[in-house]
Amino acid sequence: QSALTQPASVSGSPGQSITISCTGTSSDVGSYNLVSWYQQHPGKAPKLMIYEVSKRPSGVSNRFSGSKSGNTASLTISGLQAEDEADYYCCSYAGSSTPYVFGTGTKVTVL
Amino acid sequence: EVQLVQSGAEVKKPGESLKISCKGSGYSFTSYWIGWVRQMPGKGLEWMGIIYPGDSDTRYSPSFQGQVTISADKSISTAYLQWSSLKASDTAMYYCARRPAGGFSFDIWGQGTMVTVSS
Repeated sequence: QSALTQPASVSGSPGQSITISCTGTSSDVGSYNLVSWYQQHPGKAPKLMIYEVSKRPSGVSNRFSGSKSGNTASLTISGLQAEDEADYYCCSYAGSSTPYVFGTGTKVTVL
Repeated sequence: EVQLVQSGAEVKKPGESLKISCKGSGYSFTSYWIGWVRQMPGKGLEWMGIIYPGDSDTRYSPSFQGQVTISADKSISTAYLQWSSLKASDTAMYYCARRPAGGFSFDIWGQGTMVTVSS
C-alpha cells in the first residue's frame, strides 16, 4: 500500500484560500467516501479536521472544507489565519484487510 | 473527559523488547477501535495497525506485519504496542488513536510515546 500523494508545501496570505490535494488510487480514495484530514502542529498530536470526505467534527471551524473527485480528495482552508500554519495529512480507508493509508503530508505556511 | 493517555518516553538498546500502552477513559473502551500510528523524526504519519478491544480483532499494515504486535486488555481499558527485538529504525513517536465502531476516522488521539533505540 503506497502513501497517498500530497504536495509538500502550500502557502497563502492571511485571509486567502488554499487547497491541498490528496491523490490515491481506485483501491483507496476512489473506492470509498472515507477520506479524513488531520492537522498537526509542531510537537503535538494530530487533530481530526474532516471525516468522510466533507464532514466537520464538532468544534472545527467552518473555514475548513473537504471534497473528492475520482481518486483525488481535497482540503480547502478559507480565510487563512496564522493558527492554520501546520502540517496536514489526508487518510483514506482502503478495505477491511489493510484498512488505512495516510498521505505524505503538506506543510501549510501563512505568509 | 474522553481521552487516551499513553505511557512515557522510552530509551532502549537494539535487540531489547518493549511494550507501550494507551489507556482510554471517559468512554466505552470496547465500542471503539484503537489504531497505532508511527511518526519517524521529521517525517509523516504511517498507519501501523488497529485493534477492536471488544473481541481483539486486529489488522496490520503490510509494512508492520510481523514487526510489531498489537493487543488490548479490555478489563483495564488499555491497548498495547510491542516489539520483541527493537532496531534503531524503530526510533519514532508512536500515537494511538480512537476510531468509532461504525466510523472510519480517528477522532481522539493520545499524546504520543517517543521511543528512542540507540546503542
